Amino acid sequence: GESVGLHLPTLSVQEGDNSIINCAYSNSASDYFIWYKQESGKGPQFIIDIRSNMDKRQGQRVTVLLNKTVKHLSLQIAATQPGDSAVYFCAENRAGANNLFFGTGTRLTVIP
Amino acid sequence: KAGVTQTPRYLIKTRGQQVTLSCSPISGHRSVSWYQQTPGQGLQFLFEYFSETQRNKGNFPGRFSGRQFSNSRSEMNVSTLELGDSALYLCASSLGAGDTQYFGPGTRLTVL
Repeated sequence: GESVGLHLPTLSVQEGDNSIINCAYSNSASDYFIWYKQESGKGPQFIIDIRSNMDKRQGQRVTVLLNKTVKHLSLQIAATQPGDSAVYFCAENRAGANNLFFGTGTRLTVIP
Repeated sequence: KAGVTQTPRYLIKTRGQQVTLSCSPISGHRSVSWYQQTPGQGLQFLFEYFSETQRNKGNFPGRFSGRQFSNSRSEMNVSTLELGDSALYLCASSLGAGDTQYFGPGTRLTVL
């Protein structure tokens, strides 16, 4: 699959537990951050985004936290389900541009 | 609304050949970006088109090129294929710069 040869950080959680996936970004000029989920054989799927004028945003079962001081982003998934098993990428976008810079990704495995 | 579509889904080529990949954005989206995903390098930005103009380009050799048509559909071309060009090529569309990018399923290119 796509991940062969790429040593992704991994996270295993029990079904029903909460998951936290972390990401460090590099450019202080980035003002827009997105989390994507990628399942095997598919393209990245948008989960949630946040602009730099916010530090928290909530969606359905997901929350994104942004700490600009330490350039850190996290994705929290509540009540993790087997269907959440996938690789999760954070991406940053710089003001006025449309070229996303992606992190290496984290493989989330949900144990039933 | 239909999502981003990419054709073909799979391609097998030999070294030295060239290939053209196609992307149809979400209706109403005028920006199309292309990314390469490999196990070793992860997701990397290739280029972005808006209103038939290339606005941004990543760090790829000139063998990689693209274009956008007046209906916002885009194509990318890779000439003189090398083994290292084997990858999943992803297209993403958005309304404009700094807006959420939505990805297609990708074209899996294998170079033999």
